Amino acid sequence: GQQVMQIPQYQHVQEGEDFTTYCNSSTTLSNIQWYKQRPGGHPVFLIQLVKSGEVKKQKRLTFQFGEAKKNSSLHITATQTTDVGTYFCAGPSNYGQNFVFGPGTRLSVLP
Amino acid sequence: KAGVTQTPRYLIKTRGQQVTLSCSPISGHRSVSWYQQTPGQGLQFLFEYFSETQRNKGNFPGRFSGRQFSNSRSEMNVSTLELGDSALYLCASSTGQLGTEAFFGQGTRLTVV
Repeated sequence: GQQVMQIPQYQHVQEGEDFTTYCNSSTTLSNIQWYKQRPGGHPVFLIQLVKSGEVKKQKRLTFQFGEAKKNSSLHITATQTTDVGTYFCAGPSNYGQNFVFGPGTRLSVLP
Repeated sequence: KAGVTQTPRYLIKTRGQQVTLSCSPISGHRSVSWYQQTPGQGLQFLFEYFSETQRNKGNFPGRFSGRQFSNSRSEMNVSTLELGDSALYLCASSTGQLGTEAFFGQGTRLTVV
C-alpha cells in the first residue's frame, strides 16, 4: 500500500545549527503538506507544496517538493529552541482517505 | 473563527469499558477525520466522515466506530477497551476537498488501566 516515510526519526542539534528532515512517498503525490507538533500539543499546519520542484520559505524554514513529486524536504537554518517538536509530512491518499502522514521527525534543540 | 474542539481532554477508563469521544469541527467544515497517536506508531488514521457518511476507514478493528451528525460534529466510540488503546486521539477538520489542509483539535488523552 501507499507509504510515506521520513528520515531521520530523531535529530538532536545544538542551537544555531541547521536541521533537515526528508520525506519520501511510495507514490506520486498531487501535493504535500508539512505539520509541526510541539511537545504536548497537536499538529499544526505549516505549508502545502503543489508544483514539481517547488521551493517555499517561511523565515528560517525552507520547504522543497521534488521534481518527481515523490519526495520533499524541510530545512531549518540556525535552529532555535522554539523549533523543538515533531515535524510531519502528509500527502493525499491514493485510496480515499484524506491524508497519509509520515511517522515524523522529532527535533531536539540543545541551548 | 473558533477552532476544532475535542472533549473530554483527558479520560481514564478500565479494560472492558467503552468510551465516546467528541469532536466539533470548524464552522463550515464538513469533513472530520480521526487519528490515533501513540509514541511508537505515529499518527494512525482511523476513519473520516463527510456529510454524515463514513467516507474512508483505516485498519482498525470493529471496536472502533464513529458517526457524524447533521451539524458536522463527530463522535468516536471504542468498545471493550484494551490496554493498547491508550493513546492520544486527534480529530482533524477540513473542507473535505482532497488535499486541503487539516486543522487538528487538542486531542483526547485516553488512558486504559
